[in-house]
Amino acid sequence: DGGITQSPKYLFRKEGQNVTLSCEQNLNHDAMYWYRQDPGQGLRLIYYSQIVNDFQKGDIAEGYSVSREKKESFPLTVTSAQKNPTAFYLCASRGVGSETGELFFGEGSRLTVL
Amino acid sequence: GQNIDQPTEMTATEGAIVQINCTYQTSGFNGLFWYQQHAGEAPTFLSYNVLDGLEEKGRFSSFLSRSKGYSYLLLKELQMKDSASYLCAVKDSNYQLIWGAGTKLIIKP
Repeated sequence: DGGITQSPKYLFRKEGQNVTLSCEQNLNHDAMYWYRQDPGQGLRLIYYSQIVNDFQKGDIAEGYSVSREKKESFPLTVTSAQKNPTAFYLCASRGVGSETGELFFGEGSRLTVL
Repeated sequence: GQNIDQPTEMTATEGAIVQINCTYQTSGFNGLFWYQQHAGEAPTFLSYNVLDGLEEKGRFSSFLSRSKGYSYLLLKELQMKDSASYLCAVKDSNYQLIWGAGTKLIIKP
């Protein structure tokens, strides 16, 4: 079945460590997105990519980095520069040319900094 | 600034009807989405409105009034599995999504 796979589902990190969250999709979608979700707040866009080898900063890109070397993959690295990284991270994709432009989401990765 | 407002939490009874409102102030409008999100899970797409009026899809309906900057999601014949958060999102003039904080819906037997 087509879909988006995020891993790991749960991740614990010590302060000062970088961690990388994986996002893979087999929907043949061109656009991919990373969101952060915190309690009581709307989804906030971290980075997005509309095509391989190109990506753009979202509203809260500081302390994060991404790459888009393959169409299927859009990993997110949470660096030690991110001051408050504990959150639920959601990866999403969208097919260019979709009538509604709806996003398809992965199951999410919950990062906890100890 | 851009803003999406939804009630934080609502409670309803199994079998009843509930209406979840969403008001928005955004720089331009290119469509409004409703998503359902169960706790700890991914949001799933429910509906999309770009023109004024009511869109019906089974037990769920979504309404849009662009002149009022207002939408609602109507859930009929509520079931326990409808307990979830409901997220409203607007596509602005740059085709970027602006998200509300979500409405947590609690269904009681």
